[in-house]
Amino acid sequence: DAKTTQPPSMDCAEGRAANLPCNHSTISGNEYVYWYRQIHSQGPQYIIHGLKNNETNEMASLIITEDRKSSTLILPHATLRDTAVYYCIVRGRNTGKLIFGQGTTLQVKP
Amino acid sequence: DVKVTQSSRYLVKRTGEKVFLECVQDMDHENMFWYRQDPGLGLRLIYFSYDVKMKEKGDIPEGYSVSREKKERFSLILESASTNQTSMYLCASSSVGGQGAYEQYFGPGTRLTVT
Repeated sequence: DAKTTQPPSMDCAEGRAANLPCNHSTISGNEYVYWYRQIHSQGPQYIIHGLKNNETNEMASLIITEDRKSSTLILPHATLRDTAVYYCIVRGRNTGKLIFGQGTTLQVKP
Repeated sequence: DVKVTQSSRYLVKRTGEKVFLECVQDMDHENMFWYRQDPGLGLRLIYFSYDVKMKEKGDIPEGYSVSREKKERFSLILESASTNQTSMYLCASSSVGGQGAYEQYFGPGTRLTVT
């Protein structure tokens, strides 16, 4: 299963876009990139996923590079409630299981 | 909305006790998962199940067993609880989505303390 690398922490000003990077250089062609977040003392929450194309939903946008070796999660207008640990995950090849790394702690500041 | 519920938010048990953690999902999902989360170690998969009466070991199954008698319910069992099983336990469920996607939906977690 492909591993991911994320910065341990990032800050973002409230109202600005938060851009969270992720490297997954060993990803294979049929593996999806998933993003989850975990707000303190809660279970992880699904945000978005993608395979090759960029994706957007009501929460965020996902930009995947053409070679698929990295991606960026974009929260277009971060709020204080977006403060959380964000996990970039590549889905297990033959199963539905997710392998969580350490994630990026995003602190949104007023 | 998908709802995954866990039987307890907080649980305190003694060493050697048998512990049952229950998880129920209301979206007819085929797949269910049990994770534990520890500081510095992130989420680690204990067991998962793709169907009723079916189970597969995750990355850290030692000391645990599971039961899935009904599609909506997945139980995690600690046969003889030990202090190193003090942790946050998270249950998740998913269906097989379009294009093979597997979005997982998590419950709120059970914080288990073994004394």
